[in-house]
Amino acid sequence: DADVTQTPRNRITKTGKRIMLECSQTKGHDRMYWYRQDPGLGLQLIYYSFDVKDINKGEISDGYSVSRQAQAKFSLSLESAIPNQTALYFCATSDKGWGQNTGELFFGEGSRLTVL
Amino acid sequence: SQQGEEDPQALSIQEGENATMNCSYKTSINNLQWYRQNSGRGLVHLILIRSNEREKHSGRLRVTLDTSKKSSSLLITASRAADTASYFCATDALITHDMRFGAGTRLTVKP
Repeated sequence: DADVTQTPRNRITKTGKRIMLECSQTKGHDRMYWYRQDPGLGLQLIYYSFDVKDINKGEISDGYSVSRQAQAKFSLSLESAIPNQTALYFCATSDKGWGQNTGELFFGEGSRLTVL
Repeated sequence: SQQGEEDPQALSIQEGENATMNCSYKTSINNLQWYRQNSGRGLVHLILIRSNEREKHSGRLRVTLDTSKKSSSLLITASRAADTASYFCATDALITHDMRFGAGTRLTVKP
């Protein structure tokens, strides 16, 4: 089984629908992240969490919300999906590296979301 | 806006040649990391360089970091067709520890 699992892997939905993308990890890491990738572009940080009670906005949090249900689970919600949220979404985890700095990120395989 | 900008956006070379990719970033960092992505797949970590390091090697990879210029470079030596992928830099921000990525370089290595 993968260390970082995202569900669903693919989803097609309509404008205005609520969508939840789920991420679970077996690596025992405290830090979890949600990123969005548009075709041919880099990753943009949506939200990140350093523990269950520590959730932070990233570069593009508008239109998204998250829930850290447990150390191992971090969900991303689109309350009312719109077409420009069509993208590939990645979850990642990391442990603390040297000092309190961020160590290597481990990525899930991505959730491809299409909003019609 | 992206934290890092990468240069070039695309690079095409022959097998056996070296590939150099550059990354610039905007804020103070704890470390800088390089990742590889095969088309549409999850990213895979390649190498991490701390802010107090200037150069690091791992196999055919050589990374440099110049914090005064807020820039880094990734050199892949003796490239192979299997190195064809997109390469991204990511920075661990000094205070907030958020990890932000550059736009990436698409590398094509021709057999």
